[in-house]
Amino acid sequence: QSVLTQPPSVSAAPGQKVTISCSGSSSNIASNYVSWYQQFPGTAPRLLIYDSNNRPSGIPDRFSGSKSGTSATLGITGLQTGDEADYYCGTWDSSLGVVIFGGGTKLTVL
Amino acid sequence: EVQLVESGGGLVQPGGSLRLSCAASGFTFNNYWMHWVRQAPGKGLVWVSRINMDGTTTTYADSVKGRITVSRDNAKNTLYLQMNSLRAEDTAMYYCVRGFSYSPRDSWGQGTLVTVSS
Repeated sequence: QSVLTQPPSVSAAPGQKVTISCSGSSSNIASNYVSWYQQFPGTAPRLLIYDSNNRPSGIPDRFSGSKSGTSATLGITGLQTGDEADYYCGTWDSSLGVVIFGGGTKLTVL
Repeated sequence: EVQLVESGGGLVQPGGSLRLSCAASGFTFNNYWMHWVRQAPGKGLVWVSRINMDGTTTTYADSVKGRITVSRDNAKNTLYLQMNSLRAEDTAMYYCVRGFSYSPRDSWGQGTLVTVSS
């Protein structure tokens, strides 16, 4: 069981918006930056969001990140079928002294 | 172009050892913390270890502490993961990742598969 909690799956229609939540605690999300990663089957994960709300170069602005208290959220607008993937949140846990990941969320674009 | 290429994975019996390598290129290797992240088949990402720029600071997940050692050779631009006393639950794809102290970041290798089975 992951320290960070994500919904196992979310779905939405093409063109719509979806949000993926990541719930943690005062020792991780509330006090540290959050990253989000996208992973397609059979490939390595890719960084989507770093430091809670920043996009690396090459990541479309359809992807956004936010954080409030002990939760973080990944938002994806203008959904495309090519966005179907697994999404993971990650952060540092100051009490455990390790990096932690959420269990992952499978996005289905209907 | 930033590249990370892992090698050294394979089939090993329980209790055995493996040494994974990650060859880095396209960036100044000794300017970055490096991380190992693993993923069991069909499962999520699990952080394994990190090492600082000069190799003097290392951190491990509880599940591997005492059995796994991370190291680096900055002259060779290579990251290592020495894995001993391997267990079936160590079976996973192992990724090396460039990062900061608190976060694996923007460059991931393609992974190397470790299978622990008799």
